[in-house]
Amino acid sequence: KAGVTQTPRYLIKTRGQQVTLSCSPISGHRSVSWYQQTPGQGLQFLFEYFSETQRNKGNFPGRFSGRQFSNSRSEMNVSTLELGDSALYLCASSLVPGQVTGELFFGEGSRLTVL
Amino acid sequence: SQQGEEDPQALSIQEGENATMNCSYKTSINNLQWYRQNSGRGLVHLILIRSNEREKHSGRLRVTLDTSKKSSSLLITASRAADTASYFCATGAAGNKLTFGGGTRVLVKP
Repeated sequence: KAGVTQTPRYLIKTRGQQVTLSCSPISGHRSVSWYQQTPGQGLQFLFEYFSETQRNKGNFPGRFSGRQFSNSRSEMNVSTLELGDSALYLCASSLVPGQVTGELFFGEGSRLTVL
Repeated sequence: SQQGEEDPQALSIQEGENATMNCSYKTSINNLQWYRQNSGRGLVHLILIRSNEREKHSGRLRVTLDTSKKSSSLLITASRAADTASYFCATGAAGNKLTFGGGTRVLVKP
């Protein structure tokens, strides 16, 4: 069974640009969550999607957005990039809705560098 | 701010020794999970303990939960070089997101 796949793994952008990251969950998993990891702030929750609906959202500005497709694949977008957006963006999928009830399966992450 | 806070932030031990790290949290939880992250990689789930459980074992891992003190501990027995990683606790509460602590960096020296 394939794990969670995130693309791209590495990318470099400049300030003001926008970026789209993709996440394919484990087959059969309908819940996808996104996290931002930085040395200073640690792991910060961005949002969670289940059946194409955003169920939960973290405290991030509106520049951060996401969506989920009917096949459960998810994308997140960051517009008007800032230097502080440089981070490892992690996607996690879970079998049941509401990640609090079960374990999360993480992808390897997309490392974004903003210059 | 983070719900869970790990202590210590960093730990260095010799291979074969035990490693203990603690997690404290602030609000009521449904469960508490521990994850491991190797440098720059994704997180791997280690163990989940529910709020009505006090202790749980999985291989060389032992987790305790004290809901009265709002704290948990993770013990890794007979550590190996491959246990070198960062360890995170994550707390889940009904209707809320799973919230991760700042992590404990563990270095196991051969």
